[in-house]
Amino acid sequence: DAGITQSPRYKITETGRQVTLMCHQTWSHSYMFWYRQDLGHGLRLIYYSAAADITDKGEVPDGYVVSRSKTENFPLTLESATRSQTSVYFCASSAYLADPTYEQYFGPGTRLTVT
Amino acid sequence: KNQVEQSPQSLIILEGKNCTLQCNYTVSPFSNLRWYKQDTGRGPVSLTIMTFSENTKSNGRYTATLDADTKQSSLHITASQLSDSASYICVVSTSGTYKYIFGTGTRLKVLA
Repeated sequence: DAGITQSPRYKITETGRQVTLMCHQTWSHSYMFWYRQDLGHGLRLIYYSAAADITDKGEVPDGYVVSRSKTENFPLTLESATRSQTSVYFCASSAYLADPTYEQYFGPGTRLTVT
Repeated sequence: KNQVEQSPQSLIILEGKNCTLQCNYTVSPFSNLRWYKQDTGRGPVSLTIMTFSENTKSNGRYTATLDADTKQSSLHITASQLSDSASYICVVSTSGTYKYIFGTGTRLKVLA
């Protein structure tokens, strides 16, 4: 199906474990984003990517690693999970940032709990 | 500091009534302002996008206004339905960048 998907939808992991959240989009959008959503905060940008092999840090990148070897995939890895990384993670994509009217489409989210 | 503030934090209305949600921002330079609807357990979905030159944009029963001089926006929902129960998020972006500044949202509950 066309769209943007995330997996897993729910994940429980232990402190110190490495975990990877997957994001896949079928539109061939150039731009992809990872956000986290916590109570009392708006969505905060973790990393973004303008194209395959081009990534850049957002507002809260510490403890996260991203890669983008293919346009359609943008995995987010927590190298050593901490309780403060318990959150809901959203992946998003956009076709063309230079045009301000271009939509940003969000995936369904991954709820991550670190115990 | 670039900020987006929304009010009220939460709102309860009866089905069929109208309501207005507020968004104040201090983002500069301004590019565009978006309103998103986020159902529980789902990702945000765009309702409207307004650039500097636009002061009103409608999407069905949703009407957004923008006053770039006072840096305020509102989202008016007409004849509310139970399905309007959701969080509504105001997002402002700066010119030519990927930087979207998200408000914390207004949680709307529509009661039968």
